[in-house]
Formats: sequence, C-alpha cells, structure tokens
Amino acid sequence: AQSVTQPDIHITVSEGASLELRCNYSYGATPYLFWYVQSPGQGLQLLLKYFSGDTLVQGIKGFEAEFKRSQSSFNLRKPSVHWSDAAEYFCAVGAFNTGNQFYFGTGTSLTVIP
Amino acid sequence: DVKVTQSSRYLVKRTGEKVFLECVQDMDHENMFWYRQDPGLGLRLIYFSYDVKMKEKGDIPEGYSVSREKKERFSLILESASTNQTSMYLCATGDTEAFFGQGTRLTVV
Repeated sequence: AQSVTQPDIHITVSEGASLELRCNYSYGATPYLFWYVQSPGQGLQLLLKYFSGDTLVQGIKGFEAEFKRSQSSFNLRKPSVHWSDAAEYFCAVGAFNTGNQFYFGTGTSLTVIP
Repeated sequence: DVKVTQSSRYLVKRTGEKVFLECVQDMDHENMFWYRQDPGLGLRLIYFSYDVKMKEKGDIPEGYSVSREKKERFSLILESASTNQTSMYLCATGDTEAFFGQGTRLTVV
C-alpha cells in the first residue's frame, strides 16, 4: 500500500540556518513525489515535484529536494531559512495507476526564530 | 494560473443539518478530490472523482457523499452534520499534480 511518512512533527530553526525536512515513502512503482507548503489559514501550494530524470529538484522560494530511490526518501532542503518560511510542509506521492490519487504525509510544522 | 474555488472560507452549522461544500475548477481537469485536514493527521482523502458522475471512496468516506454533475464542479455533502466533522476541508483538482482551493473551515455545533 502507498504511504508517506514525515517523521518530524515539528521543527524549530533559527533564521539564516539551513533546513532539512524528511520524507519517506512506500510505493510499488516509480513514484511521483511532491512537496507542498501551507501557510496559516490557506490552501496548499506546490513547492516542487519529481517525476523522473535528475534526482535533485529545484523549486520555488529557494527550496530543493533530492530523490533517493535506495532510501525511499525525498527530503526537502533550504540552505538559509527566512522568517517567512514558517509554515506547515507536506510531502506527497502521486499514484497514477490507481485512479490518480495523491497520498500525503502528516506534515511538519516549521517555526523560525529570529 | 489554475483556479480552484471553494464556495465558503468559514461555515458554522448545527448538528443534524445537511451541509453542502462546493468546489469549482477552471482547468478542465478530469480528477477532483475532497480532503479533510486535522492537526496531527495530515490530509485524509474523503472521496475523489475521475470523471463526471464517477466517484470513488477515499480513506474516510463515512458520513459523507459527493456529487459531480459537471466536470468543473465537485460537491461534498454532509448528510447529517455531527460535531466530529468539525474540520478544515480542502478541495483539490489535477491529473499529474494537485492544485488546492483555500479550504473551508467547518464548525459543527
């Protein structure tokens, strides 16, 4: 069965520090992988996606993620966090051979301290 | 830009009421989804639809139904609202990527 695990419920980082949010997935075929961000009271916005090709994916707002098939991981990174990055982050896997479903992790809440 | 519009940002309903949540997309996508978001539980799929008049149950369909009479519109129906359905409801659309509406925060009192 498809599943997505985000092991960190909450992370706190200082402004300017680097960030890595972890995501592990379980999927029987080549996955389509996504990271979304949700600001308070808002819907989800796509940060980046991986379908195939280069395993290091660049996204918006200075984020990047690396697909590692051997570890079933798709971790999100940012070299220098800004206060405006405080939000909830969701990893997702797309299962397009089962009626086009998206499976989401439980999210990681990011707090940025000045 | 893809636009996914949910009819209400905030709703307060009484226990036992029938509640309609509407979602409209402007991108001619085949697939539409209704999720429920609760703290610590992430997004859980209630129902999805891959074509007009077609629907499939997600992980938590109990207490909900859906309607898709037109391609652009996907409605979530709470037949008899209960307090445990107080939540944030997110509509999404998309075929290879999910585009989300702003969400409806429903409170059932």
